[in-house]
Amino acid sequence: GEDVEQSLFLSVREGDSSVINCTYTDSSSTYLYWYKQEPGAGLQLLTYIFSNMDMKQDQRLTVLLNKKDKHLSLRIADTQTGDSAIYFCAESFSGNTPLVFGKGTRLSVIA
Amino acid sequence: DGGITQSPKYLFRKEGQNVTLSCEQNLNHDAMYWYRQDPGQGLRLIYYSQIVNDFQKGDIAEGYSVSREKKESFPLTVTSAQKNPTAFYLCASSPQTGTKNGYTFGSGTRLTVV
Repeated sequence: GEDVEQSLFLSVREGDSSVINCTYTDSSSTYLYWYKQEPGAGLQLLTYIFSNMDMKQDQRLTVLLNKKDKHLSLRIADTQTGDSAIYFCAESFSGNTPLVFGKGTRLSVIA
Repeated sequence: DGGITQSPKYLFRKEGQNVTLSCEQNLNHDAMYWYRQDPGQGLRLIYYSQIVNDFQKGDIAEGYSVSREKKESFPLTVTSAQKNPTAFYLCASSPQTGTKNGYTFGSGTRLTVV
């Protein structure tokens, strides 16, 4: 079955790197995504990675994908207070199946 | 600018009343979705629609109904049969159900039933 797991909380100091982890169970996923949700708002797509890639870098964001272990991570370099939010990973599949989301990781950045 | 609009942002209703949440998009997306978000529960799929005049139940469809009469609009009705309707509701859209662009989300409607 489809399931996406994330730890619920992460706390880091401003300027440090944050690493948010995600595991998924379905090896047939095509794309994997990271979304950010600020308080009281909708979800904003941060980045995505195609399932045949190992790594993708976009400014302060680095996504690592280990298909063997079904593990996805999001690294935020030089974490700022504005990065405080809930981060969701999600996976998509070929065909017409909707995205499956994890429960989200709440990142708190301490000044 | 293209986008997806949910209204209202906050909604209060008395227990036992039906209430309809609006979701409109001008992105020309084929697929639209409704999610419910509760603290610590993440996003749970209520209903989705891949094309006009067609929709499918998600994981928690009981007590909800939808319609898709126009491509741009996908309203959600929370009926009196929904046992615990107080939650944050998110609408999303996408060109298809699985694309590299993922979903575009609205800003949400917080429903409180008293």
